[in-house]
Amino acid sequence: DTGVSQDPRHKITKRGQNVTFRCDPISEHNRLYWYRQTLGQGPEFLTYFQNEAQLEKSRLLSDRFSAERPKGSFSTLEIQRTEQGDSAMYLCASSGDSNQPQHFGDGTRLSIL
Amino acid sequence: EDQVTQSPEALRLQEGESSSLNCSYTVSGLRGLFWYRQDPGKGPEFLFTLYSAGEEKEKERLKATLTKKESFLHITAPKPEDSATYLCAVHAYGGATNKLIFGTGTLLAVQP
Repeated sequence: DTGVSQDPRHKITKRGQNVTFRCDPISEHNRLYWYRQTLGQGPEFLTYFQNEAQLEKSRLLSDRFSAERPKGSFSTLEIQRTEQGDSAMYLCASSGDSNQPQHFGDGTRLSIL
Repeated sequence: EDQVTQSPEALRLQEGESSSLNCSYTVSGLRGLFWYRQDPGKGPEFLFTLYSAGEEKEKERLKATLTKKESFLHITAPKPEDSATYLCAVHAYGGATNKLIFGTGTLLAVQP
């Protein structure tokens, strides 16, 4: 069990640029989740995959955000035309069967200049 | 609307001074309640899952309990290395969702 891996750990970009983050879940986990966390807040759900199917998206996920999980393995989260309000920690988690604990990676911290 | 409230927001303890953190929840139906620990700059680290009222789980100096409306995380004789933010989250029944709804956390500082 190597844990959930996220890359990059930090991303600094200018407003209006596109960014993409990658998440590698625990290998035997078929469920994958993206959350966003701002300072002093708990993580907020963004989207959920079961294998390669994206089964739920939060209303927080505007049309500038897109997530994929090709072949049910790693996942990517892309933000287009970044805005100041996108600055946050983006966390990825994975789990096995439903209601099993979600295990989190150490996140990608996004800073918008 | 499903909601999780944690208190206190921050707690400062002396080493060895036991205390409890509270997590109150309002959900349509509880599938599970989760406790996580989060260190600065890191992702949440899983601690416990509780599924039904009356259930208790223990790990070292930590003990989690669950009632129909709230959960407590009891910390016995804490050490400085227990300093972290403790997050509570619920997994609620309803639709296809598997999302966790988190509280804002309790920032615990244990002084030597």
